[in-house]
Amino acid sequence: ETGVTQSPTHLIKTRGQQVTLRCSSQSGHNTVSWYQQALGQGPQFIFQYYREEENGRGNFPPRFSGLQFPNYSSELNVNALELDDSALYLCASSLYGEQETQYFGPGTRLLVL
Amino acid sequence: GQNIDQPTEMTATEGAIVQINCTYQTSGFNGLFWYQQHAGEAPTFLSYNVLDGLEEKGRFSSFLSRSKGYSYLLLKELQMKDSASYLCAVRDETYNTDKLIFGTGTRLQVFP
Repeated sequence: ETGVTQSPTHLIKTRGQQVTLRCSSQSGHNTVSWYQQALGQGPQFIFQYYREEENGRGNFPPRFSGLQFPNYSSELNVNALELDDSALYLCASSLYGEQETQYFGPGTRLLVL
Repeated sequence: GQNIDQPTEMTATEGAIVQINCTYQTSGFNGLFWYQQHAGEAPTFLSYNVLDGLEEKGRFSSFLSRSKGYSYLLLKELQMKDSASYLCAVRDETYNTDKLIFGTGTRLQVFP
């Protein structure tokens, strides 16, 4: 158990809908990173949040957006869902600038029909 | 560009030793991680190498050569529970964002 929690664990949506995924970081961690892991692939960096602001973004379109709250928890929002958005979404928390402290949550498995 | 290569699948026998290789070409490098991931679960941390050389931690060891862009994970005395995917990830700090770039993972199957 890493102390990083995510909700929901599983989700089914249809194409065009919107989804919000949530992450609570490990106690003491101030940075949250989100990754998308398609089946049979490694995780891909979506973006990172620190001090409630986006602190870097991977190669994902603007319909992927996020928030970080004062308690360091975070949300990932995806608008206009596409079939290819079906994946495991992983949240990882860490201390800023210390990736070696990073721990992953259990993930949210999203299926888009 | 960013490129991390590792074999897609490997098989081994219980009690044996297996070496999983990883080569990388990335625009930034500040260390290399190995993670274990069982099917449907989150990656769990195995090792982190910043300097060249071998780091040993129980049955698992990890090696890094920065000049060659090469790392390996060595698993000894394999057990059935070691059947999992093993992910190689480079720590990249370009554009002021400390993030991980993952390979596609190596699926290891351990047979009795």
